[in-house]
Amino acid sequence: AQTVTQSQPEMSVQEAETVTLSCTYDTSESDYYLFWYKQPPSRQMILVIRQEAYKQQNATENRFSVNFQKAAKSFSLKISDSQLGDAAMYFCAYRGENFGNEKLTFGTGTRLTIIP
Amino acid sequence: DTGVSQDPRHKITKRGQNVTFRCDPISEHNRLYWYRQTLGQGPEFLTYFQNEAQLEKSRLLSDRFSAERPKGSFSTLEIQRTEQGDSAMYLCASSSKTGTGAAADTQYFGPGTRLTVL
Repeated sequence: AQTVTQSQPEMSVQEAETVTLSCTYDTSESDYYLFWYKQPPSRQMILVIRQEAYKQQNATENRFSVNFQKAAKSFSLKISDSQLGDAAMYFCAYRGENFGNEKLTFGTGTRLTIIP
Repeated sequence: DTGVSQDPRHKITKRGQNVTFRCDPISEHNRLYWYRQTLGQGPEFLTYFQNEAQLEKSRLLSDRFSAERPKGSFSTLEIQRTEQGDSAMYLCASSSKTGTGAAADTQYFGPGTRLTVL
């Protein structure tokens, strides 16, 4: 079974600075997808960024980028120019490629605080 | 595109009662997922449907839980004889296997139904 580990329960960053959230995973599959989701307080889960394992290029979405290290099974999220609206729980998630393994497996999350 | 909707948003019930939640996926999405999230944890998979077929059920889904997706549109999740341990946020997500680009087969979540069992 796949597992996802987020070793940082809480992180904080000054507004406008850069922060990196860590995620490692364990799988025996060669093809899969990795995601970062954001869950603001009392609000719904929002997709931040997605990475296909077969792509060597790291995904980027505006201020959000990932460092995907397939051999190390590491998938970190970098948030540049942090804004107050970035404050949320961030979840790393894994999804298999094969039929019947499309469910998401989540880590325990990292609570990000933005310091004004 | 109105997104994934869930009803009710909050439900308080007494132990032993039955509850039913509804999820309406994004209209063109053929896959629908249910997850459960307890306080301070990440969501845990419960079950999912492709169209009207239920393809996988987690071991977390005891025989008190049942889910349906008649006609491959909305889905319901019913919990019979609720227990205090069932208190959690129940999340629904939908995705489309077809399509291209980053949106293809990405799961989009609804706002959740928060269940409190007294």
